[in-house]
Amino acid sequence: QSVVTQPPSASGTPGQTVTISCSGSISNIGSNYVSWYHQLPGTAPKLLIYRNSQRPSGVPDRFSGSKSGTSASLAISGLRSEDEADYYCAAWDDRLSGGVFGGGTKLTVL
Amino acid sequence: QVTLRESGPALVKPTQALTLTCTFSGFSLTTPGMCVTWIRQPPGKALEWLARIDWDDDKSYNTSLKTRLTISKDTSKNQVVLTMTNVDPVDTATYYCARSPYSSSWYHFDYWGQGTLVTVSS
Repeated sequence: QSVVTQPPSASGTPGQTVTISCSGSISNIGSNYVSWYHQLPGTAPKLLIYRNSQRPSGVPDRFSGSKSGTSASLAISGLRSEDEADYYCAAWDDRLSGGVFGGGTKLTVL
Repeated sequence: QVTLRESGPALVKPTQALTLTCTFSGFSLTTPGMCVTWIRQPPGKALEWLARIDWDDDKSYNTSLKTRLTISKDTSKNQVVLTMTNVDPVDTATYYCARSPYSSSWYHFDYWGQGTLVTVSS
């Protein structure tokens, strides 16, 4: 069981905005920056958002991240069929002295 | 261009030790604020953080696996090695290494290897 919690699934129709939540504690999200990754089947995860809200070059601005207290969110606007993937949040945990991942959210584009 | 590639056995017997090597290029593990992290993913399951080694040789381990893991680096070869002892079928997973820039409050994985699938079975 992950110390950081994500909903197991999310869905939306093309063009919609979908938000995925990531809930942690003071020792991880509450004290450190959050990053987000997406993973297509059979491929390695790819960095989407780092330091809560920063996008690496090449990531569309349809993807945005935010953090408040011990929770973070990933918003995907203008949903596209190719956004169908698994999404993970991650952060450093000061109490564990290690990294932690959320349990992942499977996004379905209806 | 940053690349990472994992290598190691595809099949390991229970109770044996597993040694995985991450060979990277395009960055140096002697650069302050740089580290390499190992992450695994059992089939159909979530990502699990395993261990990290920093540019100054500082090491961190998953607390649940700490007694079984050892991470090391060879900066002359641009390699990071992860050893896991006494493997069990539950250790069957795809193992990834990732480049991880960090500071005191941020840490993320900006480049990943393609992963290597390790099956633990007799």
